[in-house]
Amino acid sequence: QQPVQSPQAVILREGEDAVINCSSSKALYSVHWYRQKHGEAPVFLMILLKGGEQKGHDKISASFNEKKQQSSLYLTASQLSYSGTYFCGTALSSGSARQLTFGSGTQLTVLP
Amino acid sequence: NAGVMQNPRHLVRRRGQEARLRCSPMKGHSHVYWYRQLPEEGLKFMVYLQKENIIDESGMPKERFSAEFPKEGPSILRIQQVVRGDSAAYFCASSRGVGNTEAFFGQGTRLTVV
Repeated sequence: QQPVQSPQAVILREGEDAVINCSSSKALYSVHWYRQKHGEAPVFLMILLKGGEQKGHDKISASFNEKKQQSSLYLTASQLSYSGTYFCGTALSSGSARQLTFGSGTQLTVLP
Repeated sequence: NAGVMQNPRHLVRRRGQEARLRCSPMKGHSHVYWYRQLPEEGLKFMVYLQKENIIDESGMPKERFSAEFPKEGPSILRIQQVVRGDSAAYFCASSRGVGNTEAFFGQGTRLTVV
């Protein structure tokens, strides 16, 4: 079943923060975050495993709340280069870690 | 180290023709995945292959679609007798193994059926 992403779209000014959520009705094994710019390939951001871990690099981090079956992606002090569509992909077990089910995406626009 | 290579980038086919999409995984990657993306939508899993084996084709339409990953050469996604509804971007991804290693995507092939 497809995870639900929210919001569908968000517009920010450079330097502002944003949070993108990814929720599932099923117990998740892992959540994979990607960013895709128009006409380009999705670019891998990070993987989170069940267990409630949090990861991050640069000013982008994410958490996985196992109780809520929800992952959140945090973009801090956003830059123009952060613009794009963010997708979460979910796996229900380690065996399905590559046959991901993706959400519909959150379109992020960062304005100068 | 070249990334995942897909060709062609753009493909136009008339209804009823065949479409062949190619994907060369990253060096050292033996796992290939095909996804389809309709405009303004997310990626939909189609098929997962290892060398010479189809591991999971649960996302593939039962008719007209087939995929292979031969011992030598690229992975091929083949669509026979294309219809307008097949128009989409088809992405290939590869990974070194299963488990929690990242998958790298190619630039995609944009198929337009006229």
